[in-house]
Amino acid sequence: AQRVTQPEKLLSVFKGAPVELKCNYSYSGSPELFWYVQYSRQRLQLLLRHISRESIKGFTADLNKGETSFHLKKPFAQEEDSAMYYCALTGGGNKLTFGTGTQLKVEL
Amino acid sequence: NAGVTQTPKFQVLKTGQSMTLQCAQDMNHEYMSWYRQDPGMGLRLIHYSVGAGITDQGEVPNGYNVSRSTTEDFPLRLLSAAPSQTSVYFCASSYGSDPGYEQYFGPGTRLTVT
Repeated sequence: AQRVTQPEKLLSVFKGAPVELKCNYSYSGSPELFWYVQYSRQRLQLLLRHISRESIKGFTADLNKGETSFHLKKPFAQEEDSAMYYCALTGGGNKLTFGTGTQLKVEL
Repeated sequence: NAGVTQTPKFQVLKTGQSMTLQCAQDMNHEYMSWYRQDPGMGLRLIHYSVGAGITDQGEVPNGYNVSRSTTEDFPLRLLSAAPSQTSVYFCASSYGSDPGYEQYFGPGTRLTVT
């Protein structure tokens, strides 16, 4: 069975500090990995996907198949980055398996 | 465009009651899906549809029915509500079922079953 693990429920960092939100997965094939974000009082929205190899709002994520990880990183946290972040995968189609989420709090 | 809309925003039911959660999208998306989110858990897929007239089960389909008579609408029916169905329900849509297509989520419906 496929599974996504986000070990941290809450991550608190100071503004300007680096951010790393951890995501590990288990899947027997080649999954597609995503990061979704939910800002306060807003809808869940796609942040980035590994197939695009893009950087969105300064965030990047590299798929490490050896370690089965897809950690989300940003070199300098901003106050507006405070949100709930979900890692998700699909093994085919658009049926997503989500992790439990990490609440990122950026303190001044 | 309104995007993905869900009604109602909040609902309280008694055990055994039935109700339909509404979901609509105005983006002409073929793929639609329902997820539930429980405390301490990620979103879990209930049912999905790859187009009008086609539906299939997700990870947690028991206790829920769906139909897709139009491209725009994808209602979720609870025939006999149970306390275990207390959750926040999210509807999502995308242009197609390929994972390259971004999924757009609705604002959610918070359901409490007493």
